[in-house]
Amino acid sequence: LAKTTQPISMDSYEGQEVNITCSHNNIATNDYITWYQQFPSQGPRFIIQGYKTKVTNEVASLFIPADRKSSTLSLPRVSLSDTAVYYCLVGASSNTGKLIFGQGTTLQVKP
Amino acid sequence: NAGVTQTPKFRVLKTGQSMTLLCAQDMNHEYMYWYRQDPGMGLRLIHYSVGEGTTAKGEVPDGYNVSRLKKQNFLLGLESAAPSQTSVYFCASSRQDFYGYTFGSGTRLTVV
Repeated sequence: LAKTTQPISMDSYEGQEVNITCSHNNIATNDYITWYQQFPSQGPRFIIQGYKTKVTNEVASLFIPADRKSSTLSLPRVSLSDTAVYYCLVGASSNTGKLIFGQGTTLQVKP
Repeated sequence: NAGVTQTPKFRVLKTGQSMTLLCAQDMNHEYMYWYRQDPGMGLRLIHYSVGEGTTAKGEVPDGYNVSRLKKQNFLLGLESAAPSQTSVYFCASSRQDFYGYTFGSGTRLTVV
């Protein structure tokens, strides 16, 4: 199972674009990359999932280079309400029960 | 849609007491999971189920039991609560594994 490494914490200011990078050097061919967001006292919320290149939805963009050994979650023009913990997960359907949420990246958005 | 509903939201137990946490989902998802979250530890998988009538152990299963008698419900039981089981418990479900887990709002359990 691919191990992921992401920064423990990041600070930003309102209105800025935030990029959180996740390293997954031993990603397998059939693995997907998924990002979750967790606010205090709430369960994690699915943000975005991708396999390669770029994926965009109404919340974020996910950039995955050709070698897929890393991925970057991009949050455009963050606001105070984007302060949360962001988790990067790598795996596939065959990894049932083996997916583990690490400590994630705590993003603090300042006014 | 309610999504994933967990009951109760808060509970205080004495050491040695038992209790059951209920998770209900209305999305017809096949997969369901129980996680615990401790400060600085991220989420750790306790047990999971890939369909009605099935259960399997996760990363930290000791001291817990589960049952999935109905597709929409996943129960987590503590037979003899210990202070080390003080945690926030999250239930999640998904259409297939590793695709868009939907989490409940959590149960905060304190064992004294």
